[in-house]
Amino acid sequence: DQQVKQNSPSLSVQEGRISILNCDYTNSMFDYFLWYKKYPAEGPTFLISISSIKDKNEDGRFTVFLNKSAKHLSLHIVPSQPGDSAVYFCAATDSGYALNFGKGTSLLVTP
Amino acid sequence: DAGVIQSPRHEVTEMGQEVTLRCKPISGHNSLFWYRQTMMRGLELLIYFNNNVPIDDSGMPEDRFSAKMPNASFSTLKIQPSEPRDSAVYFCASSLTGGVQPQHFGDGTRLSIL
Repeated sequence: DQQVKQNSPSLSVQEGRISILNCDYTNSMFDYFLWYKKYPAEGPTFLISISSIKDKNEDGRFTVFLNKSAKHLSLHIVPSQPGDSAVYFCAATDSGYALNFGKGTSLLVTP
Repeated sequence: DAGVIQSPRHEVTEMGQEVTLRCKPISGHNSLFWYRQTMMRGLELLIYFNNNVPIDDSGMPEDRFSAKMPNASFSTLKIQPSEPRDSAVYFCASSLTGGVQPQHFGDGTRLSIL
């Protein structure tokens, strides 16, 4: 039973434009959310996180937005660069150790 | 700055054989996790160790799977006997604590059981 869902398996964006990756969750106990980035043949790499006490967290070109009432979060990448092409995983936890991952969205940034 | 190190990177073996996957966590991290990634189920947690002690093994699929952490710098995940449905990418991750700390992943072991 998937508690974290990334409904778009893939996304294609032009270089320089905004990439928006979406994630929905069902468990209202989740209070900490993370985004990971994964290149082929490598492990996931932590990108950015957000606590449920915030609705936005920014780190350089990456911003995560959290809408608790909608149980929805999104990752914005501005401007998108070809090196951002990767699979992005959303993960959530109820402040414990167990990360519940979505199945990922494959982002392709084209020149 | 060494990250999480997993070996082997690839393993191909025949059904029924014993498979041992190895992991060296980041030095100073006291939490270690084993995950399995498949197309059907995505990334799922198999087992979590804290200070070398297994805390949660509810994700271990069957008794054929076992994991150990004999010391702070080494862990193994063993499958015996292996079956074709065990084919997947297995990741090891570590974190400073078991709480809301980002987990750092190794590059995984791609396991193929023929």
